[in-house]
Amino acid sequence: QKEVEQNSGPLSVPEGAIASLNCTYSDRVSQSFFWYRQYSGKSPELIMSIYSNGDKEDGRFTAQLNKASQYVSLLIRDSQPSDSATYLCAAEKTGANNLFFGTGTRLTVIP
Amino acid sequence: ETGVTQTPRHLVMGMTNKKSLKCEQHLGHNAMYWYKQSAKKPLELMFVYSLEERVENNSVPSRFSPECPNSSHLFLHLHTLQPEDSALYLCASSQGRQGYEQYFGPGTRLTVT
Repeated sequence: QKEVEQNSGPLSVPEGAIASLNCTYSDRVSQSFFWYRQYSGKSPELIMSIYSNGDKEDGRFTAQLNKASQYVSLLIRDSQPSDSATYLCAAEKTGANNLFFGTGTRLTVIP
Repeated sequence: ETGVTQTPRHLVMGMTNKKSLKCEQHLGHNAMYWYKQSAKKPLELMFVYSLEERVENNSVPSRFSPECPNSSHLFLHLHTLQPEDSALYLCASSQGRQGYEQYFGPGTRLTVT
């Protein structure tokens, strides 16, 4: 099993809908998780971090962490065409100075 | 300047050239990273520096040589590259000896001809 796994998509949702992005992780990661958004041709931009079990909300974004099931998800409410991008899930590597990144899920919001 | 900056933004080089990529972070962080991102491939970690000390070299070929003169600056020296080294090279920084939140620069788009 890879340390961090994501469904590569593509995921398409209509404008105004909720987009749900999921990520599973292995025992080789610590308990710090991050979601990055990457527009085509651009660098990844940190949009959410979550460290504790449960939900964390920031505007239209909600990160959910379930340690028992080893998954972390990102919900985007009221999706906008500008949310169309690749979303990368990342987790802190246990005992090291870096992150494991997933392969990313490409999201398209259809106007 | 704010955040993480990288220069140049675009670079075209021949296989026999020597060039360097530069990264500078203005966030007061003490760890810096080089990543490679090829088309339709996930991010590949290349090097990690923490407090100016290289703490990880992810089996990167010797034609890539990193340098971290201080906690704000990171270089990637390139020589005798191959066409398959063409990619987006990203620099990132973070605070603390743990990975925590990493902030990325805009990247250098490298093309090796």
